[in-house]
Amino acid sequence: GENVEQHPSTLSVQEGDSAVIKCTYSDSASNYFPWYKQELGKRPQLIIDIRSNVGEKKDQRIAVTLNKTAKHFSLHITETQPEDSAVYFCAASSYRGSTLGRLYFGRGTQLTVWP
Amino acid sequence: KAGVTQTPRYLIKTRGQQVTLSCSPISGHRSVSWYQQTPGQGLQFLFEYFSETQRNKGNFPGRFSGRQFSNSRSEMNVSTLELGDSALYLCASSPDTTGRTEAFFGQGTRLTVV
Repeated sequence: GENVEQHPSTLSVQEGDSAVIKCTYSDSASNYFPWYKQELGKRPQLIIDIRSNVGEKKDQRIAVTLNKTAKHFSLHITETQPEDSAVYFCAASSYRGSTLGRLYFGRGTQLTVWP
Repeated sequence: KAGVTQTPRYLIKTRGQQVTLSCSPISGHRSVSWYQQTPGQGLQFLFEYFSETQRNKGNFPGRFSGRQFSNSRSEMNVSTLELGDSALYLCASSPDTTGRTEAFFGQGTRLTVV
């Protein structure tokens, strides 16, 4: 099966700095890569995703890049704010047609943004 | 549009008992998946249902089972509870239509086994 590794496990940045979280995957059949943000005591929230037919996707201060050859993808958060503090999870899936299938998750990154 | 709803939010059970958790997906979503979240193991896939059929199953013992009803609502059952079953159980729903495969999570059921 798929194996997703995520680094770093903890990340501390100053407000306004950028944060980068990296994930690698093992199964070349994986073609969908979502990122989730989970605040303490809350549900994981989908913040951005990318499919294997594109290399980069942006949504305001967040962006995701995908390198299919190297089998890695990264989350970039610019101009970080204290409310960005949370655990971030990457995931991979190999969807077929309209079927999402199973998500394989990384172990998570605890991001802390200091004011 | 209402989000994914899980009930109950919290449960305390005794070892050996059984428990049933419920998940109501977003209206129009046909696929429901279940995940177990623990500090040690992270998010682990339990199973996925679509049109009342189990489509995928993770590496959990047979004590963990689930089902989906015709209205897409899903339940999971854990029998003969063990202390190690204490976890946050998350349900996710997905529209599973072409071009729309995002998974959205409920708030989870926090199960404590004592």
